[in-house]
Amino acid sequence: AQSVTQLDSQVPVFEEAPVELRCNYSSSVSVYLFWYVQYPNQGLQLLLKYLSGSTLVKGINGFEAEFNKSQTSFHLRKPSVHISDTAEYFCAVSRGAGGTSYGKLTFGQGTILTVHP
Amino acid sequence: EAQVTQNPRYLITVTGKKLTVTCSQNMNHEYMSWYRQDPGLGLRQIYYSMNVEVTDKGDVPEGYKVSRKEKRNFPLILESPSPNQTSLYFCASSLWNGGNTEAFFGQGTRLTVV
Repeated sequence: AQSVTQLDSQVPVFEEAPVELRCNYSSSVSVYLFWYVQYPNQGLQLLLKYLSGSTLVKGINGFEAEFNKSQTSFHLRKPSVHISDTAEYFCAVSRGAGGTSYGKLTFGQGTILTVHP
Repeated sequence: EAQVTQNPRYLITVTGKKLTVTCSQNMNHEYMSWYRQDPGLGLRQIYYSMNVEVTDKGDVPEGYKVSRKEKRNFPLILESPSPNQTSLYFCASSLWNGGNTEAFFGQGTRLTVV
């Protein structure tokens, strides 16, 4: 089975400061990794994903994430946040092909990012 | 416009009264699923469907039913709702490509069972 742990439930930060949202996963097989964002009263939308290749992936709105296989981590970063980045962020994993339940997304608990002026 | 549409957005019901939450997607996606979102628990998968007439349980299926008679629709049925099913529900769809494709989510249905 796979699992995802987001290490911070809430992250407050001032506008234009850098931010890192931490995500660790556990799986006995290869996985695909995702970050989704949920703005208030909306559904989730994809920020970025790691499938293979370069361990640094860039997404929308200036976010990027780095896959670290040895530490089983996929932390999300942004060098300078805006008020509009205030939202809840979810890390998710999907098991790679070759076994049962592949395609299913397993989500972390979510991290609420609050950007203060 | 590519989208996943859920209805209703908000629903208050009483214990035991059967209800259905509809979900429809216009992207011809094979894979559809239902999640519930609870504070501190993230999203947990209730049921999923890999194609028409192919459905299976997710992590928290108790008290729910689904059907997939058409590719675009994937309704969630609560035969006898209970207060512990009060939650925010999301429907999602994606291309079936081994799990490496983006999932598209509906706007959510906030259900309260009293």
